[in-house]
Amino acid sequence: AQSVTQLDSHVSVSEGTPVLLRCNYSSSYSPSLFWYVQHPNKGLQLLLKYTSAATLVKGINGFEAEFKKSETSFHLTKPSAHMSDAAEYFCVVSSTSGTYKYIFGTGTRLKVLA
Amino acid sequence: GAVVSQHPSRVICKSGTSVKIECRSLDFQATTMFWYRQFPKKSLMLMATSNEGSKATYEQGVEKDKFLINHASLTLSTLTVTSAHPEDSSFYICSARGAGPNTIYFGEGSWLTVV
Repeated sequence: AQSVTQLDSHVSVSEGTPVLLRCNYSSSYSPSLFWYVQHPNKGLQLLLKYTSAATLVKGINGFEAEFKKSETSFHLTKPSAHMSDAAEYFCVVSSTSGTYKYIFGTGTRLKVLA
Repeated sequence: GAVVSQHPSRVICKSGTSVKIECRSLDFQATTMFWYRQFPKKSLMLMATSNEGSKATYEQGVEKDKFLINHASLTLSTLTVTSAHPEDSSFYICSARGAGPNTIYFGEGSWLTVV
């Protein structure tokens, strides 16, 4: 079975400072991992995905994540936060074999302070 | 890029009535679509997997008679909330599986309010 744990429900950073959103996963299979962002009252937007290629994945809007198998982690980072980054972020795991069902983490709400 | 469209984006219905939400893949064929539900300030929970031409597979705890899913064509899946009650009010979002590994596209979601 697959699962993801987002370690922080809320993260606050000042504009221009680094962002770190933490995610740990559990998977019986070789996992595919994703980060999605959801702005208020909006749908989901894919930030980046890991599918067993390069362990450091670069996404949109300056975000990147590193897959660390030894730590079962897939943390999302950004060097410098922007006000527009304020949103809900979801870490997602999907098995690469089988149904491609997505299992969502509980989400991390990112607040960016001026 | 691939687009998945949901309609309506917002709907208000009276308690006891049924409401249908559509999920369409606009520029690709989707043999598999997924329906999720998001409670306020909560994560997304998979409700069911919709396969074209066959019955949907429901997750444990989801009432299949309450949440009717039909996937009659390769570009359309529908979710019908039957005899809706206020506790069914939620954000429902679909995704569609495209060609290639791990190509999943999400719709914009549909807000359902039952009054």
